[in-house]
Amino acid sequence: EVQLLESGGGLVQPGGSLRLSCAASGFTFSTYTMSWVRQAPGKGLEWVSGISGSGVTTYYADSVKGRFTISRDKSKNTLYLQMNSLRADDTAIYYCAKVGGTFDVWGQGTMVTVSS
Amino acid sequence: VMTQSTISLSVTPGQPASISCKSSQSLLQNDGKTYLYWYVQKTGRSPQLLIYEVFRRFSGVPERFSGSGSGTDFTLKISRVEAEDVGIYYCMQGLRLPITFGQGTRLEIK
Repeated sequence: EVQLLESGGGLVQPGGSLRLSCAASGFTFSTYTMSWVRQAPGKGLEWVSGISGSGVTTYYADSVKGRFTISRDKSKNTLYLQMNSLRADDTAIYYCAKVGGTFDVWGQGTMVTVSS
Repeated sequence: VMTQSTISLSVTPGQPASISCKSSQSLLQNDGKTYLYWYVQKTGRSPQLLIYEVFRRFSGVPERFSGSGSGTDFTLKISRVEAEDVGIYYCMQGLRLPITFGQGTRLEIK
C-alpha cells in the first residue's frame, strides 16, 4: 500500500525555521516527482513546491521562493521541506503528495503554526 | 486562475449535482491532453483525487462521478448524490506552474 507520513510540524515564532519530513512507502520513491501542498486554516489548497524523482529539478511557488527548500533522500525514502524566515501567513497544514501524473496520493498532513 | 463560481451546493440524496470550474487559460496541451483535475476533501481528511485529465476516473472512484469539459470550462457531475459525498470539491490545473486550485465548492446534503 502506498503511504506518505508527514512529521515535523509545530509552533514556531515568526522568523524561525522548521523542517518537515515525509516518509514514503509502498512505491519506488526515486521514480516519482513529489510535492508539498498547504492549506491555511479554513482556506483552500495552495501548491508550495515540487521536486523531480532524481532530485535535480526543484520548483517553488513565488510565496515561498528563497525561504523554503525542498529536498529528498533516496536512501531513506523521505521528502523534506526546510522552511526558513517563517511568517504568520505560512501557518497551514502541510501535505506531501506523490505525483503520478497529478497528486494521486496524499499524506495526512502536519500542522505548522507561526505565532509569537 | 481557476474559478469555481459556486461556493456551496445543497443537494437531496439521490438527486444529481453539478460543479463548474473555469480556467483563465486553456488547459489543452500540445500532447492532446487537458490537464484538469478534480479532488474532494472530506472533513478532517486529506484531499483525494477523483478525476484526472477532465474525465478519467481515478482508481476506486464510483461511477456516479463524471467529468466533462474542454479548453477553459469544466464540470464535475454526480449522478445521484449520496450522504458520503459531503465535502469540498476542488478543481486544479496541472498544465502550468504554479499549479493552482479553484476556491472549492462545498457540497452539503439536504
